[in-house]
Amino acid sequence: QKEVEQDPGPLSVPEGAIVSLNCTYSNSAFQYFMWYRQYSRKGPELLMYTYSSGNKEDGRFTAQVDKSSKYISLFIRDSQPSDSATYLCAMSALDNNNDMRFGAGTRLTVKP
Amino acid sequence: DAGVIQSPRHEVTEMGQEVTLRCKPISGHDYLFWYRQTMMRGLELLIYFNNNVPIDDSGMPEDRFSAKMPNASFSTLKIQPSEPRDSAVYFCASKLGLAPDNEQFFGPGTRLTVL
Repeated sequence: QKEVEQDPGPLSVPEGAIVSLNCTYSNSAFQYFMWYRQYSRKGPELLMYTYSSGNKEDGRFTAQVDKSSKYISLFIRDSQPSDSATYLCAMSALDNNNDMRFGAGTRLTVKP
Repeated sequence: DAGVIQSPRHEVTEMGQEVTLRCKPISGHDYLFWYRQTMMRGLELLIYFNNNVPIDDSGMPEDRFSAKMPNASFSTLKIQPSEPRDSAVYFCASKLGLAPDNEQFFGPGTRLTVL
């Protein structure tokens, strides 16, 4: 079993839809949770950062962490074609926050 | 700032050849990371440096891989000898400070193909 599990998709939605992306993990030491967006043939860029459990909202994006279930989510409201990319979840532990473990990435296409 | 710079952007080589990938981090950043991304294994941390000193190289797959950071503005990842299974996109990233919410900035990557 992988340390971080993420459905690779692909996921295709119409413009304006609400998108839900998810990851599960097995290491209870993870305290820092990130979502990265990666456009084709580019490096990943940080989208959202959350510490421990709870919700965080930034514009159309909401990140949720449920540590009791070892489950994290990213919601995209009013999705746009420019949101088409691969979304990677990442997480790290308190004692070595530089050692990030990534999910496989979910490929999202938003159709106009 | 130009961001993290990697060279070359593409590299095609034959099995057994030496490959050197180069990275220039963002000026002032004190952490530098090397990652490898493949379809099968996703994005994996290979090694990271703090103030030019290697801190954790547990992700380096085997002795054929080596990384150096001779100064704050340059790092190399070397594969010798290269094998077809080393084909992947290699990313360099840099970060300022230890705080976990400080962003790692990724370069555009080097796409390596070993024939």
